[in-house]
Amino acid sequence: QKEVEQDPGPLSVPEGAIVSLNCTYSNSAFQYFMWYRQYSRKGPELLMYTYSSGNKEDGRFTAQVDKSSKYISLFIRDSQPSDSATYLCAMSEDDKIIFGKGTRLHILP
Amino acid sequence: EAQVTQNPRYLITVTGKKLTVTCSQNMNHEYMSWYRQDPGLGLRQIYYSMNVEVTDKGDVPEGYKVSRKEKRNFPLILESPSPNQTSLYFCASSFAQGDEKLFFGSGTQLSVL
Repeated sequence: QKEVEQDPGPLSVPEGAIVSLNCTYSNSAFQYFMWYRQYSRKGPELLMYTYSSGNKEDGRFTAQVDKSSKYISLFIRDSQPSDSATYLCAMSEDDKIIFGKGTRLHILP
Repeated sequence: EAQVTQNPRYLITVTGKKLTVTCSQNMNHEYMSWYRQDPGLGLRQIYYSMNVEVTDKGDVPEGYKVSRKEKRNFPLILESPSPNQTSLYFCASSFAQGDEKLFFGSGTQLSVL
């Protein structure tokens, strides 16, 4: 089993919909959980991060971590065409960050 | 403006011709790293550096070299490029190893013919 699994998509949703992006992982030692957003022809940029289990909200974005299920989610409310990008989950144990392969998201106007 | 600058953005070369991709950061970060990104394989770490003169292998170091003579610069060297090194390369930096916030450059698209 790979350490971090992420559905590559593409995921196409209409503007205004709620988007749910997910990752599963196998290493129970992961403590920090991150979501990076990558626009076409750009480098990834950190969108949100959480420590251990729980929820974190930032505007239209909510990151959720369920360590018991080894499952993390990113919810986007009121999705906009500008949210179209690839979203990479990432998690870290001590000094190493492991990235998921990314989910391509298209928000249709 | 805080940034990681990579050059060149695009590079086409031929097998065996040595090349260097430069990376520079202006945030006084201790940690720098190189990744390659390939369809279906995601981001894979090539080399990283925890500080000046300290470098270590990542997950896919074969065929690459790096050096960290100054804190701000971390060039990636391909001594004898091969077609399987055709990829999108990213340099990244952070305050310390394991820091959640990695700052990425805009990428270098390399094609080896």
